Amino acid sequence: KAGVTQTPRYLIKTRGQQVTLSCSPISGHRSVSWYQQTPGQGLQFLFEYFSETQRNKGNFPGRFSGRQFSNSRSEMNVSTLELGDSALYLCASSHGQLNTEAFFGQGTRLTVV
Amino acid sequence: DQQVKQNSPSLSVQEGRISILNCDYTNSMFDYFLWYKKYPAEGPTFLISISSIKDKNEDGRFTVFLNKSAKHLSLHIVPSQPGDSAVYFCAATANAGKSTFGDGTTLTVKP
Repeated sequence: KAGVTQTPRYLIKTRGQQVTLSCSPISGHRSVSWYQQTPGQGLQFLFEYFSETQRNKGNFPGRFSGRQFSNSRSEMNVSTLELGDSALYLCASSHGQLNTEAFFGQGTRLTVV
Repeated sequence: DQQVKQNSPSLSVQEGRISILNCDYTNSMFDYFLWYKKYPAEGPTFLISISSIKDKNEDGRFTVFLNKSAKHLSLHIVPSQPGDSAVYFCAATANAGKSTFGDGTTLTVKP
């Protein structure tokens, strides 16, 4: 079955702009989580959506938001971009109700200039 | 408050030897633990997991050990191969919820 698909793969934005990233989970997976990875850093949890509801939220400012649609596809939005938002944004899908592994997409590399 | 910690940012071993990657956690509610491997420019991929009701899980060259009383788990790779060179992330979940990741350990296996 198809894996997790993230679009776009690469993105360059200027400070102050906003950006929307998209994630299509594996078919049947109802949980989608978003992570930020900056150079030399681990995976910082942004938020998790399950059945269209935000189930968990990390410690990121309100400029970071997300949503999940009825088909489990998810979008992440960052407004008023800052240089420090440059990072690899990873989406992961999982069953959400069983202890199973998460499947990651290849990520979206966002560069803010 | 970092609930999952990988205190060694990097580890270098010789091909054929054992690699031991360590992970500590603080949240006693975690009941499922996973290890992921990540190559540059790719998303992490699942490697092996262990439930809190077990203390060991083995899959080929990879074995994960869990010490609940010490809130410590480790990943053993034996024998190590150059293709194992990657960043390894430890993750923990509670009640099948979100995964909390450590900062990762970069493993380099030298030929």
